[in-house]
Amino acid sequence: AQSVTQPDIHITVSEGASLELRCNYSYGATPYLFWYVQSPGQGLQLLLKYFSGDTLVQGIKGFEAEFKRSQSSFNLRKPSVHWSDAAEYFCAVGAGNYGQNFVFGPGTRLSVLP
Amino acid sequence: DADVTQTPRNRITKTGKRIMLECSQTKGHDRMYWYRQDPGLGLRLIYYSFDVKDINKGEISDGYSVSRQAQAKFSLSLESAIPNQTALYFCATSDYGSGETQYFGPGTRLLVL
Repeated sequence: AQSVTQPDIHITVSEGASLELRCNYSYGATPYLFWYVQSPGQGLQLLLKYFSGDTLVQGIKGFEAEFKRSQSSFNLRKPSVHWSDAAEYFCAVGAGNYGQNFVFGPGTRLSVLP
Repeated sequence: DADVTQTPRNRITKTGKRIMLECSQTKGHDRMYWYRQDPGLGLRLIYYSFDVKDINKGEISDGYSVSRQAQAKFSLSLESAIPNQTALYFCATSDYGSGETQYFGPGTRLLVL
């Protein structure tokens, strides 16, 4: 079975600074990888996903993530954070077309200082 | 209009009461899921359904039941609510063949007193 860790429970950055959120996964085959964002009081919105191909994936709101198989990582990045990016971010790993095997990490809460 | 809707958005109930949370989707997806979210634990799967006649238990199904009334509707019931079922509940949908990208509703915040 797959698993996901997000080592940082809470990160604080200043507006305009760069951001990297870490995600490590454990899965025996090629994973399907996802990042979701949850704004306060909202549901989960898909930021980006990786299935295959180019290991650098572009998403919405200026986010990107890089799949590194050798490190079992799928870190999320943004070059310049905006105050509206303050939210909770979840990494998830899926087992292809087996939706019941969609596993979420515990989440990283991002705070943005003005 | 939202593709995945949940009702109610907030609910307060008492220990021992039966309650139902409802989910509807207009995405045309066959697969639907119920998750609960607790602080620091991410989302955990309660039940999932791959079509109207297919219902399966997830990681934490004890104390819950579900009904798939139609392709677009999937309800979650707490037969006798207890305080540790206080959580944020999410419904999600996905489509076979798209890598099972899951799309989420806005959530139902449940408080069991």
